[in-house]
Amino acid sequence: AQSVSQHNHHVILSEAASLELGCNYSYGGTVNLFWYVQYPGQHLQLLLKYFSGDPLVKGIKGFEAEFIKSKFSFNLRKPSVQWSDTAEYFCAVNPGRGTGGFKTIFGAGTRLFVKA
Amino acid sequence: DVKVTQSSRYLVKRTGEKVFLECVQDMDHENMFWYRQDPGLGLRLIYFSYDVKMKEKGDIPEGYSVSREKKERFSLILESASTNQTSMYLCASTMGRGTNEKLFFGSGTQLSVL
Repeated sequence: AQSVSQHNHHVILSEAASLELGCNYSYGGTVNLFWYVQYPGQHLQLLLKYFSGDPLVKGIKGFEAEFIKSKFSFNLRKPSVQWSDTAEYFCAVNPGRGTGGFKTIFGAGTRLFVKA
Repeated sequence: DVKVTQSSRYLVKRTGEKVFLECVQDMDHENMFWYRQDPGLGLRLIYFSYDVKMKEKGDIPEGYSVSREKKERFSLILESASTNQTSMYLCASTMGRGTNEKLFFGSGTQLSVL
């Protein structure tokens, strides 16, 4: 079965530290890849997505992610985190075929806490 | 901006009760989804609908049913609530049929079954 693995469940960083959250998926075909973020008390929202073209994609608030097809990975990065980045981050994959294209599969999430 | 509204933020129900969770979106989106979110498990798809009166099972449909009588409304039904259905329930929608469409989420309903 298709799956999404996020390497870290909890991450604690100090402000200005660099961030990298790992994500690997198991589906072998063409995929659409997403990172969603849930800030405390808010609804889930899209951070960035990849479906074709440049494998380095940029999202909101200075986040970026790199799609490495050979490694089935889509890691999220930010050079310098801020206290306001404290949130839960979800990697997600959509296989993109038939009604399976409606099934976006989510990882378990990574809770990031940024110390001021 | 798209708004996905879930009728209740918190619900407390007893084992065996029939529970209705309601979701409405205001941007004429084609597709609607119900997920449950559990710590350490992420989001898991329960059911989705790609048209009025159409529904498809997701990955964990057991114990749930859905109804979509109007395009803007998608209801999740727990026929006989059980304690293992205590969870955060998230409704979402997407505009079109493309597989790279982003999901628009509601704020969630935290359901506790006692």
